[in-house]
Amino acid sequence: EVQLLESGGGLVQPGGSLRLSCAASGFTFTNYAMSWVRQAPGKGLEWVSAASGSGVSTYYADSVKGRFSISRDSSKTTLYLHMTRLRAEDTALYYCAKSADEYSNYGHFDNWGQGTLVTVSS
Amino acid sequence: AIQMAQSPSSLSASIGDRVTITCRASQGLTNDVDWYQQKPGKAPRLLIYDASSLESGVPSRFSGTTSGTDFTLTISSLQPEDFATYYCLQDYNYPYTFGQGTKLEI
Repeated sequence: EVQLLESGGGLVQPGGSLRLSCAASGFTFTNYAMSWVRQAPGKGLEWVSAASGSGVSTYYADSVKGRFSISRDSSKTTLYLHMTRLRAEDTALYYCAKSADEYSNYGHFDNWGQGTLVTVSS
Repeated sequence: AIQMAQSPSSLSASIGDRVTITCRASQGLTNDVDWYQQKPGKAPRLLIYDASSLESGVPSRFSGTTSGTDFTLTISSLQPEDFATYYCLQDYNYPYTFGQGTKLEI
């Protein structure tokens, strides 16, 4: 059974940094691209970032490019999102999501975590 | 970035109704559109992928079709558990983009 468990969220001041983690199990971690998707309170879904199975290829939404960095540790089967220069508008529930297509950098999401909440406020 | 214009933003319907939700893409993107259902306090759930393929375990009353850059999710006969918010997603290229969502209410 695929399991995705996010952690690392919390309250941070504007301009601060935070690292989110997504511990994955139940599948061959290095064979699947992974993404972060966020949802501001009462708002819709916004794709944030993705990393290929190897972690070599990474992709970002324009809203976070240059501030956020995605990475993955195959030995720990964990996906990360390093967030810097945080803004109030980054306040959201952050989900990690697994791509369904093995060995592809693209594709739909067949499994989601339950999310970790990031609040950016002074 | 590809824009996904989803309509309507909200929809009132009754049990047994047939409903359709549409996403219009700002450019051609083959069939790389998916549909997700989200209930309050829960993570999204995949319903349809590649425009018309039904995810395993999803009831057959859900279906997806495409016509050019228009992608449609149809629920043939609404059940009580279908009242939720629905999103389309284009996974044709990065940055991926979601539609704005459709809240389906009784």
